Amino acid sequence: GAVVSQHPSWVICKSGTSVKIECRSLDFQATTMFWYRQFPKQSLMLMATSNEGSKATYEQGVEKDKFLINHASLTLSTLTVTSAHPEDSSFYICSARWETGGITNEKLFFGSGTQLSVL
Amino acid sequence: QKEVEQDPGPLSVPEGAIVSLNCTYSNSAFQYFMWYRQYSRKGPELLMYTYSSGNKEDGRFTAQVDKSSKYISLFIRDSQPSDSATYLCAMRQTGANNLFFGTGTRLTVIP
Repeated sequence: GAVVSQHPSWVICKSGTSVKIECRSLDFQATTMFWYRQFPKQSLMLMATSNEGSKATYEQGVEKDKFLINHASLTLSTLTVTSAHPEDSSFYICSARWETGGITNEKLFFGSGTQLSVL
Repeated sequence: QKEVEQDPGPLSVPEGAIVSLNCTYSNSAFQYFMWYRQYSRKGPELLMYTYSSGNKEDGRFTAQVDKSSKYISLFIRDSQPSDSATYLCAMRQTGANNLFFGTGTRLTVIP
């Protein structure tokens, strides 16, 4: 399957600082990437859809000014958590859509996730 | 009502057992059905991918989709301790970006 790389795996930061998380599709181009948040023992919650060359689409209740998304190339999307606070501590996961041709062959591959702890 | 319902478990089985994992859904427009395996503090790994109804087999894994009942299943034969993980079902509509996930079922295979 396709490979999606996400860095860093772990980050600990002080309250008020900003943290950037990178998501790269290593062996395919992804016009669309997604950012999820996951709390312990819960499923993934979609935060936003990142489209290459255009503004991200945020889900209801997700602050676009707090969670800045940039999809500057077909292989890289970044999520920046600005002015992080302890309540932002969570597991963040990105995914990239792999389009192999035909509507029946679109698949989502996930990064390994980033555990953010805000002190 | 949630879009996708999945029994969170936990489910414990002895090694070698057949495991059955299930999800039900309410949106008849869902056409793509997936099963992901997620180890603790890792991203989900795509296991099975099915378009529309039918069965799909890959090694020890079989995915079934019954659109008339809005019910999907994942069967794991000859389960191994390495299969211990959380299994997430997911589904979406044609042309839609949003992927709807079940809450995940925690599986433990006991040696």
